[in-house]
Amino acid sequence: KQEVTQIPAALSVPEGENLVLNCSFTDSAIYNLQWFRQDPGKGLTSLLLIQSSQREQTSGRLNASLDKSSGRSTLYIAASQPGDSATYLCAVSNAGGTSYGKLTFGQGTILTVHP
Amino acid sequence: DAGITQSPRYKITETGRQVTLMCHQTWSHSYMFWYRQDLGHGLRLIYYSAAADITDKGEVPDGYVVSRSKTENFPLTLESATRSQTSVYFCASSESRQYTEAFFGQGTRLTVV
Repeated sequence: KQEVTQIPAALSVPEGENLVLNCSFTDSAIYNLQWFRQDPGKGLTSLLLIQSSQREQTSGRLNASLDKSSGRSTLYIAASQPGDSATYLCAVSNAGGTSYGKLTFGQGTILTVHP
Repeated sequence: DAGITQSPRYKITETGRQVTLMCHQTWSHSYMFWYRQDLGHGLRLIYYSAAADITDKGEVPDGYVVSRSKTENFPLTLESATRSQTSVYFCASSESRQYTEAFFGQGTRLTVV
């Protein structure tokens, strides 16, 4: 059974810092890994999608890497801003068995960026 | 508007009542999913569907029923609501199971009293 772990559970940083969020998964049989952002009381917004054959993806100040063999992904946020405050979730799309691209989520990292 | 929409956004119901949560997507995505989000458990898959008339159970299907007669709709029914089903429910869709992003609705906050 796929398990996804995110570290740290919470992070508080001053504005302007570069930061790294970590995600690990136990089964490397994945199609892709996706990073989401969730604001309080809101739905999930997709940030980045990395295919299993890719090593990284970039979007603006965000950069996500994937090391499928070791079961790890990192989300790097450059020059953090208060508007980045949210919960960040990673999810893997499982490729094993009759997976139908089911996503398994981590518990999330609650990020607070203070001015 | 294009996208994935859920209704209602908020619902309070009594124990034992049947309640249906609606999900509609305008992209004609083949795959649709229902998740629930609870403190301490994160997001857990309830049911999913690979196409119209094809559905299967996820991690926590007990007490829920789904149907998918049309590609764009994927309603979730709680046959006899229980307090343990108080949660935030999210519907999602994706074009394929392998290569594309999953898009989520805004969620339905359900309270069972």
